[in-house]
Formats: sequence, structure tokens, C-alpha cells
Amino acid sequence: EPEVTQTPSHQVTQMGQEVILRCVPISNHLYFYWYRQILGQKVEFLVSFYNNEISEKSEIFDDQFSVERPDGSNFTLKIRSTKLEDSAMYFCASTKGGQRNTEAFFGQGTRLTVV
Amino acid sequence: DAKTTQPNSMESNEEEPVHLPCNHSTISGTDYIHWYRQLPSQGPEYVIHGLTSNVNNRMASLAIAEDRKSSTLILHRATLRDAAVYYCILSYGWAAGNKLTFGGGTRVLVKP
Repeated sequence: EPEVTQTPSHQVTQMGQEVILRCVPISNHLYFYWYRQILGQKVEFLVSFYNNEISEKSEIFDDQFSVERPDGSNFTLKIRSTKLEDSAMYFCASTKGGQRNTEAFFGQGTRLTVV
Repeated sequence: DAKTTQPNSMESNEEEPVHLPCNHSTISGTDYIHWYRQLPSQGPEYVIHGLTSNVNNRMASLAIAEDRKSSTLILHRATLRDAAVYYCILSYGWAAGNKLTFGGGTRVLVKP
């Protein structure tokens, strides 16, 4: 069964450092998303991406965050200068598109720990 | 985003059905009802979705009230693997690009 893959599974970084979280969405999917989940809290939407541009972003997704689809397969989330409060699980998701294909497939997540 | 209300937790015995309620009294005519679940230490996983009619798939059934102000996810025979947090989410329209807004969900405990 096709799946969304995320790397690394766990990233530890020092406060102020840049991190890049990587995702490989399902190959024929057109819509891509990043969500995060702080330990013990809800899953929160960060950003959606379609046709090589951001289609929607939340208040969390400020200037420190950026997304990119550098090639035909990868979808990345960059945090320029990490803060302690960025520590969370980050989930990538993708959907195929179309009226009957709204099912979102999520990756297993990257646990980001900022120290 | 239209809001959903779910019980914080539910318990079930293994191999018995589980009925998970969701209230969404402010649902609009174009809102789809989605259910996702999150197993421990994993990403959310799609379960089922519907608009007006009841829906069945290999994982579960979704029963939607006639006025659409509530719905129930039915797991026909709970297994230990079904222990997870179940989220009821409304999504405007059918467009796949719409984000999912997760609430607190219902934590399901399955007892052997």
C-alpha cells in the first residue's frame, strides 16, 4: 500500500539552528500538508501546498517557517531559527485531489526536539 | 470552521461493537463529516467520511443523522489494535485541498 514517508524520525537540534524536515508524499498526489502536534496536545494545521505554492497557512506558520517541493518527489518544511516551543511531532500529509479522493494520508512523523 | 463535540473517552470490550458519537449542530450544507484516528505514537489515519447518507467501509460504518447535526462512528468488532484517539472533523466542501481541523477526539480503550 502506498505511504507517506518522513525523515528523520527524530531530530534533536539546538535552539537557533535551522532544521529541514523531509517528506515523500504518495507519488500521484497533488495536495501536500504539514501539521504538528505538541506533546499531549491537539494536531494543528500548519500549511497546505498545491501547484507549487502555498494555498493556506495557519497563524503558527510565521516567517520562520517555509515549505518547498524541490523536485518531483520531496516536500520539505524548514524552520530557520528553532525555538524551544517548536519541539513537537511534525506530520506530513498528502491527498490525491478530486471529489472522491479527499482521504488524507499521513506520515509517521518527525519528532523534533529543540534543546 | 464548524465545531464538533465528542466525549473525551470511551471503553469497550474486545470483539464488541463501539459506537462513537459526534455532535456538529452548526454543520453547513456543504460540510463533509470525516473520521480519522491516531494510534499511539503514529500519525493520523483516515477512517471514513460522508455527507448525508450512511457509509460503510472495511474499517467502520458512519451513521449520519437525518438533520446532519450528529453522527456516529461504528466499529463493529473492536480489537486491541483499535485503541486510539478518534477524531470527528468537518471539512468545508469536497475539495481535497481543505485542511483538517482536529479537536480533542475520543480516546478509545479496548479491554481484552
